[in-house]
Amino acid sequence: ETGVTQSPTHLIKTRGQQVTLRCSSQSGHNTVSWYQQALGQGPQFIFQYYREEENGRGNFPPRFSGLQFPNYSSELNVNALELDDSALYLCASSLGRQTELYEQYFGPGTRLTVT
Amino acid sequence: AQSVTQLGSHVSVSEGALVLLRCNYSSSVPPYLFWYVQYPNQGLQLLLKYTSAATLVKGINGFEAEFKKSETSFHLTKPSAHMSDAAEYFCAVSSPNAGNNRKLIWGLGTSLAVNP
Repeated sequence: ETGVTQSPTHLIKTRGQQVTLRCSSQSGHNTVSWYQQALGQGPQFIFQYYREEENGRGNFPPRFSGLQFPNYSSELNVNALELDDSALYLCASSLGRQTELYEQYFGPGTRLTVT
Repeated sequence: AQSVTQLGSHVSVSEGALVLLRCNYSSSVPPYLFWYVQYPNQGLQLLLKYTSAATLVKGINGFEAEFKKSETSFHLTKPSAHMSDAAEYFCAVSSPNAGNNRKLIWGLGTSLAVNP
């Protein structure tokens, strides 16, 4: 059984560009959550996808968008990149939406640097 | 609104000493509480969780935490630190009242150093 994987590992982009980050969920998991972790900070919830539909969103602008595919893998898209978007982006998959019932399994993250 | 405060961004202990990492929460209803660990260049891993059953929760790697409603605390402890415990530790909270939108609210983290 493979764990949660994310690609790419590292990425450098210029302000104003667009970026797509990818996440493959653990086998059998139908829920994917995305988090932004700035340096020295705790993760901040971006949004969650459950069975291909958005199921909750944090305090992030619309230029942060996502998708979940029929195989439950997911993408995070960020448009019009800003310097403050530089962070570690974490993806977590779980068997369901309820955090108290289903453990979230995290990928190693994608380190995005915006210059 | 829910929030989590982790007291002490850096904690240093000697190998074999008691580990105590502090977490206080703010919530209008009894919350669900979690402790995660993050090793360098790795993703987060769940250590333990409180979901309104026993107030003393045992987790992996010898860690445990006690939910104290009167103190709104959920401190993480381990009787004897090991060098391999050096990592970043995060406390997180979610609300039973959020329906299916039970996102995790995270603390800023505590970096644990273990000295030989």
